[in-house]
Amino acid sequence: EAGVAQSPRYKIIEKRQSVAFWCNPISGHATLYWYQQILGQGPKLLIQFQNNGVVDDSQLPKDRFSAERLKGVDSTLKIQPAKLEDSAVYLCASSLNSRGSPLHFGNGTRLTVT
Amino acid sequence: TQLLEQSPQFLSIQEGENLTVYCNSSSVFSSLQWYRQEPGEGPVLLVTVVTGGEVKKLKRLTFQFGDARKDSSLHITAAQPGDTGLYLCAGVETSGSRLTFGEGTQLTVNP
Repeated sequence: EAGVAQSPRYKIIEKRQSVAFWCNPISGHATLYWYQQILGQGPKLLIQFQNNGVVDDSQLPKDRFSAERLKGVDSTLKIQPAKLEDSAVYLCASSLNSRGSPLHFGNGTRLTVT
Repeated sequence: TQLLEQSPQFLSIQEGENLTVYCNSSSVFSSLQWYRQEPGEGPVLLVTVVTGGEVKKLKRLTFQFGDARKDSSLHITAAQPGDTGLYLCAGVETSGSRLTFGEGTQLTVNP
């Protein structure tokens, strides 16, 4: 089966600019996650979708971050405006359901904010 | 305060040595997963443990879930350079549904 696809792989922007990341999960996976991984740290959950509904966005900085999964398949994560501390790898993952199913991760988008 | 504490944070060993990585918490987990992440890639699931005291083996890797379901360990026998990577534990608390990751153990196996 095809894995989780993410684009772009790399992005360099200046602070205060905006950026968007795209994720295509594994076909049939109802749950989609966006994680932020700062260098040297474990992934931190930003938002979790079940189909096209938000299950958990308690750790999403909503003043600058937004995400959507309009048709319950692809998802986009946006940052506007970006700050230096947003430099990180943004990982998308999907799973069959939200009750303990293993997560399948994409290779991430490495964002550098200068 | 980190929900899941992993130790050691860094480990550099020679090929053929054995090692153990620990994942500890004060919380009880309904399940705990171990992932390995290589540079430029996303984490890949190694194993899921769900029962207190459970032991699972994956070739040279042995995973154990604590009796109280608060901690776990990963033991690698006769480590090889291909085992190099970031090992992450992740757990789902019994009181919630969010999968929370530890900070990881960066393992380097030198030939």
